[in-house]
Amino acid sequence: DGGITQSPKYLFRKEGQNVTLSCEQNLNHDAMYWYRQDPGQGLRLIYYSQIVNDFQKGDIAEGYSVSREKKESFPLTVTSAQKNPTAFYLCASSPTGGALDTQYFGPGTRLTVL
Amino acid sequence: GQNIDQPTEMTATEGAIVQINCTYQTSGFNGLFWYQQHAGEAPTFLSYNVLDGLEEKGRFSSFLSRSKGYSYLLLKELQMKDSASYLCAVFGAGNNDMRFGAGTRLTVKP
Repeated sequence: DGGITQSPKYLFRKEGQNVTLSCEQNLNHDAMYWYRQDPGQGLRLIYYSQIVNDFQKGDIAEGYSVSREKKESFPLTVTSAQKNPTAFYLCASSPTGGALDTQYFGPGTRLTVL
Repeated sequence: GQNIDQPTEMTATEGAIVQINCTYQTSGFNGLFWYQQHAGEAPTFLSYNVLDGLEEKGRFSSFLSRSKGYSYLLLKELQMKDSASYLCAVFGAGNNDMRFGAGTRLTVKP
C-alpha cells in the first residue's frame, strides 16, 4: 500500500525536552512538507524539502529542525526553543512540489508538552 | 499580505445542498485546492481549480473566479459522513507557496 505514515499518533513530552516526529512515504515523491495545525487556524508551513539533502524554512520554522537524508523520510525535531509546541503536526508529500501537484497528508501526530 | 477567509462553522440538513465560500488575497495564483478533514485525521484532497468555472466530481463541485478572488465548494445530497472541516488552500506565486484557510466546520443534522 502506497502512502504516508507518521508515528506515533499521540506523543507526550515534558517541557524542555527535544522530540522527533517521524514521517515516511513510499509514493516516490520528491517533495515533503511539515505543517502545524492549531484550533481555529489554517495549516502553517514549518519546513519543506523539494529534494534529498535540501530543505527550506516555511513561515514558522523557529524552534524546529529537519533533515532529508533519504527521499522517503523527513523527520521533524521540535526543540526546547519552540515556545508553544503543543499542536497537531501534519506531514505531506507531493510528486514534485509544483503548483499543479496535489499534496497528500499523513495521519498526523498530536504532540502534547506537559 | 496574504489572506484566505472561510466561514468558521456551518450547519445543514441531511439530503440538502450546502455551499462553502472561500475568498483569498495572495501574492500570485497558481491554483486553488479544497480538502476535507475529519476531526483528528489527515486532510484528504477533494478538488482543484486553476481556471475560472465549475469543476464537478460526483456530489462535490468547486467553482473559481480568479478576478474576484473567490471560490466555493458545493456539496449535494448531504450525508451524515460529510460532517467534517473543509479547508480552502491557494497555491501562490513562489515555490511551495501553499496557503491554507482556517477551515469551515460543517455539521450535517438528520
